[in-house]
Order: sequence, then structure tokens, then C-alpha cells
Amino acid sequence: EVQLVESGGGLVQPGGSLRLACAASGFTFSGYWMHWVRQVPGKGLVWVSHINRDATSATYADSVEGRFTISRDNAMNTLYLQMNGLRAEDTAVYYCARESFYYDSSDSPHYYFDYWGQGTLVTVSS
Amino acid sequence: SSELTQDPAVSVALGQTVRITCQGDSLRPYYASWYQQKPGQAPVLVIYGKNNRPSGIPDRFSGSSSGNTASLTITGAQAEDEADYYCHSRDTGGNHVVFGGGTKLTVL
Repeated sequence: EVQLVESGGGLVQPGGSLRLACAASGFTFSGYWMHWVRQVPGKGLVWVSHINRDATSATYADSVEGRFTISRDNAMNTLYLQMNGLRAEDTAVYYCARESFYYDSSDSPHYYFDYWGQGTLVTVSS
Repeated sequence: SSELTQDPAVSVALGQTVRITCQGDSLRPYYASWYQQKPGQAPVLVIYGKNNRPSGIPDRFSGSSSGNTASLTITGAQAEDEADYYCHSRDTGGNHVVFGGGTKLTVL
């Protein structure tokens, strides 16, 4: 059974740091791109970052570029999100998600998140 | 970067058919995927690709696409389908990810 379990959320002061972890099981972790998605309670889903299979490439939303760092340890089957310089607007539930894809008849890739963790709440407040 | 636009709220009578739409330039190169989210729960994939349902998703859920618009159709909506629905795709550049703002579905 595929499982993604986030941890590391909590209350932090503005300007502080936090490291989230996402423990993966039930699949070959190193075979998948992984993402972080966040959601302010009562609001919509917002993509944060993704990392490729061997951690040689990562991309970030403009709102977190330069402050957040995504990483992964394929030996430990764990995804991380290091969050520095936290702001009140970073308050949200953070989900990790596994990305799968397939190629259509035109060899065009199409992507989807087939598994999500349960989320971990990060609250940035003084 | 690009955006995906969804109607904020839609309602449907129990047992009737409802279509939830998602519009954006990135839906020309990419199919949308659709997620159902109930209060306090993580999103769940309901449709991906041209019109594919993950295991366990009822066949009353279907997807379609035309031009820059993707649609999620629920044929014979049930009370348990009341939830928020989000569309998603890569952006037009292919390296970022975009979500629609979500549609709150009410089953009357």
C-alpha cells in the first residue's frame, strides 16, 4: 500500500525556519518525481515545489523561491522541505504528493498526483 | 506560468448530472487531472489524462477536454460527492504546476 506521511509542522515565529519531512512507503520512491503542495485552511491548493527522481533538479513557486529548499533521500525514502525566512503568509497545511505521468498517442506527457499525504500544518505567528 | 480558472461554486440536485469546468492555456498541451477534497481530508485523484479513473473511483465520474477547457462530469450525483474539486496541470512551460482555484460542489 502506498503511503506518504508528513511530519515536522508546527508553530514558528516570523523569520524562523522549519523542516518538513515526508516518509514514503509501498512503492519505489526513487522512481518518482515528488512535490510539495500547500493549502491555507479554507482556501485552494497551491503548488510549492518539485524535485526529480535523482534530486538533480528542483523547481519552486515564485512565492517561495530563495527561501525554501526541497530535497530527498532515496535511501531513506524521504522527501524534505527546508523552509527559511518564514512569513505569516506561509501558514498552511503542507502536503507531499507523488507525481505519475503517461505519454499519449502523440508522445506528449500528461501528469497527475496519484497519492497524497495527510498534510502537516505550519503556522507562522508571533 | 499560467492560470487555471474554475467556477467557485456549483450545485446539483441529487441524482442529476453536473459539469465542472476548468479553463486555461496550459490545457492545450496538457490534459487536466481532477481532485476531490472533503473537509479535513487530503485531495483524492478522481480523473487523470484524457478520461482515466483511478481504481476505486466510481464510473459516474468522467473527464473531457476541448481546446483550453477541461470538464469533470458527475453523472447521477450522490450526496457523498459534495466536496471541493480542483483541476491541475503543468504550466505552459512545462516546469511549474498550476491548480485551479477550486469548485465547491453542493448536492441538493
